[in-house]
Amino acid sequence: NAGVTQTPKFQVLKTGQSMTLQCAQDMNHNSMYWYRQDPGMGLRLIYYSASEGTTDKGEVPNGYNVSRLNKREFSLRLESAAPSQTSVYFCASSSGWDQPQHFGDGTRLSIL
Amino acid sequence: AQSVTQPDIHITVSEGASLELRCNYSYGATPYLFWYVQSPGQGLQLLLKYFSGDTLVQGIKGFEAEFKRSQSSFNLRKPSVHWSDAAEYFCAVGAQGAQKLVFGQGTRLTINP
Repeated sequence: NAGVTQTPKFQVLKTGQSMTLQCAQDMNHNSMYWYRQDPGMGLRLIYYSASEGTTDKGEVPNGYNVSRLNKREFSLRLESAAPSQTSVYFCASSSGWDQPQHFGDGTRLSIL
Repeated sequence: AQSVTQPDIHITVSEGASLELRCNYSYGATPYLFWYVQSPGQGLQLLLKYFSGDTLVQGIKGFEAEFKRSQSSFNLRKPSVHWSDAAEYFCAVGAQGAQKLVFGQGTRLTINP
């Protein structure tokens, strides 16, 4: 019962570097989401994909891009990392927007 | 647009005491409401949800929440907390057509022995 798997779990980058955070779910869910969590800010939605083949911006999309590779996988890319993107990133999936979301364990990203 | 406010950033209660965590939402129609819990270093886990019907909903781990439309609230309660309940709790609201949830800022719960 893997659920939602995020890789890597930890990453340190230098300003200006790029990287892709990977997320895969094995629950055959239609919807997938990327959030960032910062102290005192709760979870803020970066991008989401309501179904395979579609992606939409969330609350804080600037500096990020996403790809819904197939129904299982939804990746988040930082093209040119900035210190303000230091955060914990969570991927989640659900069978629909009104259904409970299942979360991965997060990726802790530090940008120096 | 929908929004969620959790007025209490941090709450401390003694083990065995009762607990109430507050959640207020802003949305014109009937909202879809959720409570999630996050243990340190982990992702979020669903405690309970409200879509319609009975306004008192039961969740896992002995938690319950009551939807009060007149107060735009969805407060989480537990009659007697255990040390293992120490965690961060998030309220979230969804809206028809929005295709996504909005989360509150979270309430960190500390349990005194």
